[in-house]
Amino acid sequence: ETGVTQSPTHLIKTRGQQVTLRCSSQSGHNTVSWYQQALGQGPQFIFQYYREEENGRGNFPPRFSGLQFPNYSSELNVNALELDDSALYLCASRPGRTNYGYTFGSGTRLTVV
Amino acid sequence: DQQVKQNSPSLSVQEGRISILNCDYTNSMFDYFLWYKKYPAEGPTFLISISSIKDKNEDGRFTVFLNKSAKHLSLHIVPSQPGDSAVYFCAASAVTNNNDMRFGAGTRLTVKP
Repeated sequence: ETGVTQSPTHLIKTRGQQVTLRCSSQSGHNTVSWYQQALGQGPQFIFQYYREEENGRGNFPPRFSGLQFPNYSSELNVNALELDDSALYLCASRPGRTNYGYTFGSGTRLTVV
Repeated sequence: DQQVKQNSPSLSVQEGRISILNCDYTNSMFDYFLWYKKYPAEGPTFLISISSIKDKNEDGRFTVFLNKSAKHLSLHIVPSQPGDSAVYFCAASAVTNNNDMRFGAGTRLTVKP
């Protein structure tokens, strides 16, 4: 399988709810990172997973959590949604811990109302 | 904590001319730099990268220059084409940070026919 696929593409949630975003990475890509991109901003690093373990985290609160599975899929979970969580969420994967550029998915647009 | 800065939100150039996109960084631990290109409704696409041991890397019409003492890099596109119109993100990573990327806010390039 080639490419990085994210689902859903768009999502509307109410403040206080919980959301799960999903990502399917390329085969062999055992490093996955999640980014939040607010309007007019660059992607902000949320966290990285390597071989199913969290391997680094940005300045995001614990209500942002993730999982990575052996089949190269992963999830981003956000609890207690806030209005400021409205953004494009990008999943990106790469093989190993190399310096090579990530392959990004097209993102999930989350709107919190 | 904006470790990577792109101070020009937009740039407009004429087809056939040179486009120069600039990026500054503050973290001296960064040792690898990347440029990504993003079209609307798509994820960022890797364009070109440079290691901190080099000061120039060229790939076809795209050249990235790195000035480590100034903590500055630039992307040159020659000649510019209308299809180059997109948002360009500068990103930096460090081995000490698991090679994860920090992005600038992006520069929207418009190439006019």
